[in-house]
Amino acid sequence: EDQVTQSPEALRLQEGESSSLNCSYTVSGLRGLFWYRQDPGKGPEFLFTLYSAGEEKEKERLKATLTKKESFLHITAPKPEDSATYLCAVQASFADSWGKLQFGAGTQVVVTP
Amino acid sequence: KAGVTQTPRYLIKTRGQQVTLSCSPISGHRSVSWYQQTPGQGLQFLFEYFSETQRNKGNFPGRFSGRQFSNSRSEMNVSTLELGDSALYLCASSHKTNEAFFGQGTRLTVV
Repeated sequence: EDQVTQSPEALRLQEGESSSLNCSYTVSGLRGLFWYRQDPGKGPEFLFTLYSAGEEKEKERLKATLTKKESFLHITAPKPEDSATYLCAVQASFADSWGKLQFGAGTQVVVTP
Repeated sequence: KAGVTQTPRYLIKTRGQQVTLSCSPISGHRSVSWYQQTPGQGLQFLFEYFSETQRNKGNFPGRFSGRQFSNSRSEMNVSTLELGDSALYLCASSHKTNEAFFGQGTRLTVV
């Protein structure tokens, strides 16, 4: 069965203190791996899609990388506005599944000034 | 371009009642998926509709159902509500293999 595990569960950072979030996955054929950011009471906000091992994507202070078994979300010099829960999700590769995402439990990030 | 719109944003229902939630996808997106989010279970897939057909279904009881209309708008229905159905219900729309975009969700409270 497809499984997504995120670590750590929670992360408290000082402003400017870089860190990384981990997402390890097992899936019967990976179509895509997604990172989302979610603020309390709101829907997840799309950040990145990664499709193949070795792929990297960047957006402002965030950089996502992918290997065959895990993905990392690196937060460089975070600011308080980066505080959120970061969710990882995988999409399996069989033909009719691209509307179905399997989510991890998320990493709650708090950045203090 | 307008995002995914979910209505209503908040609902309070009594045990045993039924509820219908609505989702309008991004224009041009034909796939609509529904998720339930709770503090204990996280985000769990309910079902996916594509071109008015249910294409995938998660592990939820038959009290949870949905449908999609010809304009790709979707509704989900929960019958005989239980306290444990209290959750944030999220709808996401996507186009083929592209990323899924989520609405703001409907917060359902069952009392």
